[in-house]
Amino acid sequence: AQKVTQAQTEISVVEKEDVTLDCVYETRDTTYYLFWYKQPPSGELVFLIRRNSFDEQNEISGRYSWNFQKSTSSFNFTITASQVVDSAVYFCALSGYNTDKLIFGTGTRLQVFP
Amino acid sequence: DAGITQSPRHKVTETGTPVTLRCHQTENHRYMYWYRQDPGHGLRLIHYSYGVKDTDKGEVSDGYSVSRSKTEDFLLTLESATSSQTSVYFCAISGIEGTLNYGYTFGSGTRLTVV
Repeated sequence: AQKVTQAQTEISVVEKEDVTLDCVYETRDTTYYLFWYKQPPSGELVFLIRRNSFDEQNEISGRYSWNFQKSTSSFNFTITASQVVDSAVYFCALSGYNTDKLIFGTGTRLQVFP
Repeated sequence: DAGITQSPRHKVTETGTPVTLRCHQTENHRYMYWYRQDPGHGLRLIHYSYGVKDTDKGEVSDGYSVSRSKTEDFLLTLESATSSQTSVYFCAISGIEGTLNYGYTFGSGTRLTVV
């Protein structure tokens, strides 16, 4: 069975702090894909990143970075120098081999205060 | 962005009435999904479709049915609405041109309240 765990229900930080959102996954597939989505207060779900199981290189996109570690089954998301606009719910998700279905974690609500 | 629209955006209905939510896409994606979002539960899959007239159940399918008679439309029906079905419903699409594992594009969501 596949599972995604986001143990942090809610995180509050002050602007300019760095923050890491944790994501731990379970799967028996050797080929799988990991995703992060952002849901701002307006409610839409926005794709952030896709990662396949064969690519363990960390990825950086501006203030966002992702750390994928197969050894610990984790795909953590770090926001550097957080801003109020980063306030949102963030979802980690997993899809397995030969299927497009996504299994989502329960989400982490990030609040960034000025 | 892929063209995907959900209707209605908001609905209030009474317990026991049937309700149909519509998801319409204009991008010819093969796969379509219905999720519900509830506090503490994240996004849970209700039903999904691999193609026209080809649907299957997700993890929380009880009390829901779906139909897909055209590639572009995926309907979710609450056969007899209950208060436990008060939720935000999201439609998603994926699988353009047979590709897999590129993630979803989501609709804007439907906020359903059952009173």
